[in-house]
Formats: sequence, C-alpha cells, structure tokens
Amino acid sequence: AQKITQTQPGMFVQEKEAVTLDCTYDTSDQSYGLFWYKQPSSGEMIFLIYQGSYDEQNATEGRYSLNFQKARKSANLVISASQLGDSAMYFCAMRERTGANNLFFGTGTRLTVIP
Amino acid sequence: NAGVTQTPKFQVLKTGQSMTLQCAQDMNHEYMSWYRQDPGMGLRLIHYSVGAGITDQGEVPNGYNVSRSTTEDFPLRLLSAAPSQTSVYFCASSPGTGGFYEQYFGPGTRLTVT
Repeated sequence: AQKITQTQPGMFVQEKEAVTLDCTYDTSDQSYGLFWYKQPSSGEMIFLIYQGSYDEQNATEGRYSLNFQKARKSANLVISASQLGDSAMYFCAMRERTGANNLFFGTGTRLTVIP
Repeated sequence: NAGVTQTPKFQVLKTGQSMTLQCAQDMNHEYMSWYRQDPGMGLRLIHYSVGAGITDQGEVPNGYNVSRSTTEDFPLRLLSAAPSQTSVYFCASSPGTGGFYEQYFGPGTRLTVT
C-alpha cells in the first residue's frame, strides 16, 4: 500500500486566493512526522513545513499551514494569498519512527497560479 | 556553508558504463541519503547512511552501490548503467536519526542512459 497519497496531479488557483493541496498517509506507527516540500521548475527541493504526529496544534510557517486531521490520516497543505512564485510541484512526505530518517514521498501536485 | 553539493549536474552515459555521482555536505550531518525522481513517481529512496561506515538499502537499491568513509561524503556508484536508471538523482542530509529532522537536499544530478 502507498504510504503517501496525493490525489491531485494538477491544481489551478487565482493569484491572491487560498488553495489546499491534499495528502493522505498510511502508517501503523504512533509516532511519525509529515513534511511538505516545494519543487520549482529549477528543480531544487525546498522544505516548507513539518507536523509531528503528537503536535496538538496545526503547523504554520508564514503563508503555509498544515491542516492535520489525525483520525482521517490527512495532512493537507494550505497556501494563503497565492503568489505567482508559488507555481511549482508540491510533495508531501512522511517519516515513520522506525526507519532512520527515511522519507516516503507522494507523487506530487503541480500547482499553477493564474494572474 | 555550502550545504549539500552534488556533482555533476548533468551526465549522459552509454548502457553498461559505470560512474560515480558525488555528494558532499558541510553541516556535520549524521544522516545522508540518495533518492531518484522519475516522472509521476515522486522521490524514491535508493540507499541511506546513518553515520560514517554505516549504509543500508532503501526502496530501490538494485544497480547502485554506496559507501560512507567520512561524515561529509556519500558517493553513489552505478555499476553498469541501464536505460531504466535514467532519472534525476538527489542527495539529502539531516542532523540525526533520533528525531524528525528536515532533510536538506542537493541541487540534483540529471542522468541520461542511452
């Protein structure tokens, strides 16, 4: 079974609007971490935000927030006030307590911001 | 700090050739790893290391070797290149393995095997 599922291959959002990128995960570990990375067209991987399984509050970093619903095993990324520079691929990833620091990645969502 | 560096940026190989992709980090990170990125498949773990002298296999290790003789360097060797190894390769590092650390990625190496 896939550990990370991203069901939206592509998304469009109007500039200055908010957008939600979906991510669901599958693990039997009680302790795990969830990460979002951005990959612009230049190719580098940029860390955006992290949520721990025991964190009571949803993580926020500037315009990025993580809508963490543990019972539903979802960790959706919310980008507020979209900017043209947000156009990129976005990857959700998970690290389980067992397994060094290895990340399991989803297949990604390509976000396009429309002026 | 240079962070995580990878060389070369681009490489074209013929089937059957061997080569080494270089990865180095200057952050004194314990953990280093190699991923490959194929269209529509996200990133998949090839090999990883939790410290000098310690390596282990990831999800897709076949056709690749690694070694970790120093904390700083983690080269990836392709023993006999195949077209199926055409991909973008990323090296990553993180401070440790005991917690949930962000991984720092290198800029990637785009490899084409003909």
